[in-house]
Amino acid sequence: SQQGEEDPQALSIQEGENATMNCSYKTSINNLQWYRQNSGRGLVHLILIRSNEREKHSGRLRVTLDTSKKSSSLLITASRAADTASYFCATAVPNSGNTPLVFGKGTRLSVIA
Amino acid sequence: DAGVIQSPRHEVTEMGQEVTLRCKPISGHDYLFWYRQTMMRGLELLIYFNNNVPIDDSGMPEDRFSAKMPNASFSTLKIQPSEPRDSAVYFCASSSPRYDRPGEQFFGPGTRLTVL
Repeated sequence: SQQGEEDPQALSIQEGENATMNCSYKTSINNLQWYRQNSGRGLVHLILIRSNEREKHSGRLRVTLDTSKKSSSLLITASRAADTASYFCATAVPNSGNTPLVFGKGTRLSVIA
Repeated sequence: DAGVIQSPRHEVTEMGQEVTLRCKPISGHDYLFWYRQTMMRGLELLIYFNNNVPIDDSGMPEDRFSAKMPNASFSTLKIQPSEPRDSAVYFCASSSPRYDRPGEQFFGPGTRLTVL
C-alpha cells in the first residue's frame, strides 16, 4: 500500500509563480525524498530530508518536514515551463535500511508560459 | 555512467504471448527494483533484489509474473502469458547505500508495454 499521499493531485500555475505541493504519510520515517517525473521518462531524485531535519533548500527547491503532523511540503520558487512534470514524495521507514521506498501517487504540475 | 538501462523501450504484443523486459543497473549498485506504473494504480513496487537475491516479491501481481537477476549487471521481468491488463510502463531502478543519500533510487527510462 502507498504511504505517501500528495496534495493537490494536479496544479496549474503561471510561469514565475511559486508552486507548493504537499505530502502526508502514515508511519514513522527515516527520511522523505521528492522525485520528479517528466512525461514519458523515469523518476529523478530531487531532494532528501531526514527525519531530524525541518527544512532543506536546493536551488529553487525548498522542502519542509513536520514529523508531528507526518507531512512534508515541496516549494518550487519562480517556476518555469520546464518545471512541468509530476512530483512524487517517497518515504524510507526505520529499520529497513532505507529500502524500499514507498511512493505516493504524485502531483501533476503544469507551468504555463 | 550510463545510468539504468532498460530494453525494449516499447513493446506491443498480443494477449497470451510471453514478454521479457530487461534491465541493466548502474554499476556498483547492489539494490535493483522493478516497478509498474499506471494511471489508475500509480507506481507499484513489484519486486526488489539485494546482491542479486530477491528480497520481497509481494508486489508481483500473479504467478504469470517472474523476475530474475542472474548477475549484478542484469535482471529480467517476464510475463507469461500476457494479458491486456498488464499494459503499463515498467520501470527498473537501482540504488546503493550511501550515508549522504540514503535510499536514493536511480530510475531507468521505462518500458511501455501494450498488450492487445
